[in-house]
Amino acid sequence: SAVISQKPSRDICQRGTSLTIQCQVDSQVTMMFWYRQQPGQSLTLIATANQGSEATYESGFVIDKFPISRPNLTFSTLTVSNMSPEDSSIYLCSVEDWQTYEQYFGPGTRLTVT
Amino acid sequence: KQEVTQIPAALSVPEGENLVLNCSFTDSAIYNLQWFRQDPGKGLTSLLLIQSSQREQTSGRLNASLDKSSGRSTLYIAASQPGDSATYLCAVQWGKLQFGAGTQVVVTP
Repeated sequence: SAVISQKPSRDICQRGTSLTIQCQVDSQVTMMFWYRQQPGQSLTLIATANQGSEATYESGFVIDKFPISRPNLTFSTLTVSNMSPEDSSIYLCSVEDWQTYEQYFGPGTRLTVT
Repeated sequence: KQEVTQIPAALSVPEGENLVLNCSFTDSAIYNLQWFRQDPGKGLTSLLLIQSSQREQTSGRLNASLDKSSGRSTLYIAASQPGDSATYLCAVQWGKLQFGAGTQVVVTP
């Protein structure tokens, strides 16, 4: 299984600012995923990030609000831009095992926007 | 529309009882189904993955079954312990992974 780390683990940010979340994997992976979990809710997929190509965003999520970078096969960043209190959530990074399709998740970044 | 439903939303049992968690899905053309555990404010821990061609998977006290024809999966946790208290999420892969809302489990000593 893959070991995934995320930075920061939590942050409190002011409205209108931006935060970049980092995701590091201990092995090379093709597909990385970013999810959002709003308070009391289940997970919603924001986008899929493949190395060397633009991220693919799900309905309701746009690149201007959630720009994603994927510079290599072990690292990705998600930026939450121009934040509002509605962006307060846990943001999770995940990867997929290319052989079994099992997904593994990072510990998450708990974001609070005041 | 592809949907994943988990019932009940919450469950409380005394220590030692067996846990039965249910997951239903609307489209039987799945790639696989995965069960996760989430502790409060934490990330997800993968418990079991059942491939589309499989009927069940077992890991220690955990057993998960899959019935594609009826669109159901069940997670059994034998001899529950207080450490099993968490939210359990079912996720179905139809291309991308789609999650149910979860079942919050409390095991009382």
